[in-house]
Amino acid sequence: DVKVTQSSRYLVKRTGEKVFLECVQDMDHENMFWYRQDPGLGLRLIYFSYDVKMKEKGDIPEGYSVSREKKERFSLILESASTNQTSMYLCASTLGTSGHNEQFFGPGTRLTVL
Amino acid sequence: GQNIDQPTEMTATEGAIVQINCTYQTSGFNGLFWYQQHAGEAPTFLSYNVLDGLEEKGRFSSFLSRSKGYSYLLLKELQMKDSASYLCAVKYGSSNTGKLIFGQGTTLQVKP
Repeated sequence: DVKVTQSSRYLVKRTGEKVFLECVQDMDHENMFWYRQDPGLGLRLIYFSYDVKMKEKGDIPEGYSVSREKKERFSLILESASTNQTSMYLCASTLGTSGHNEQFFGPGTRLTVL
Repeated sequence: GQNIDQPTEMTATEGAIVQINCTYQTSGFNGLFWYQQHAGEAPTFLSYNVLDGLEEKGRFSSFLSRSKGYSYLLLKELQMKDSASYLCAVKYGSSNTGKLIFGQGTTLQVKP
């Protein structure tokens, strides 16, 4: 059974803290993604990675960075958390080939920044 | 720019049929996905269309017209467990990267 796991389901941090969100997939997928999901705005792409150590900015990368040192792991970093980064964060992965390759999502991390 | 539109909310009755529409304007098109997301859970894959026409999968069907930038998801014989958000997403850019742009989602409430 394919699986994408995220390090925490719920996280509470204080403004200015550095926050790490971890995502691991066991499907040997090349592509991995980080989204945030907010009411009325849908899923918005923060960053994605198409290979180890390779990354591209998505639509809303400001205030975030990412790291992909191993194929199965993709980390999202909030360098200095702010209250407007309170959100649901979803990680996803997919094969790096053309055609019908759906994204598989992790369970999400609900982050609250106080 | 990139834009995907779908209704925010819909209500339907158990046992009925409901159609959720999605229109899109994107730079590049490599397929359209529908995902289901129950409250507090991760999105799960429902269907994929890349060519015009209807794809049927049990109680769920999805239709695509590329010339009109239009898709719909049809849910038949509605059950209470179908109450969820339904996300329309377009695959764009290089087909190998699998990048998606999502609509805001349609929250479907099924009533007895």
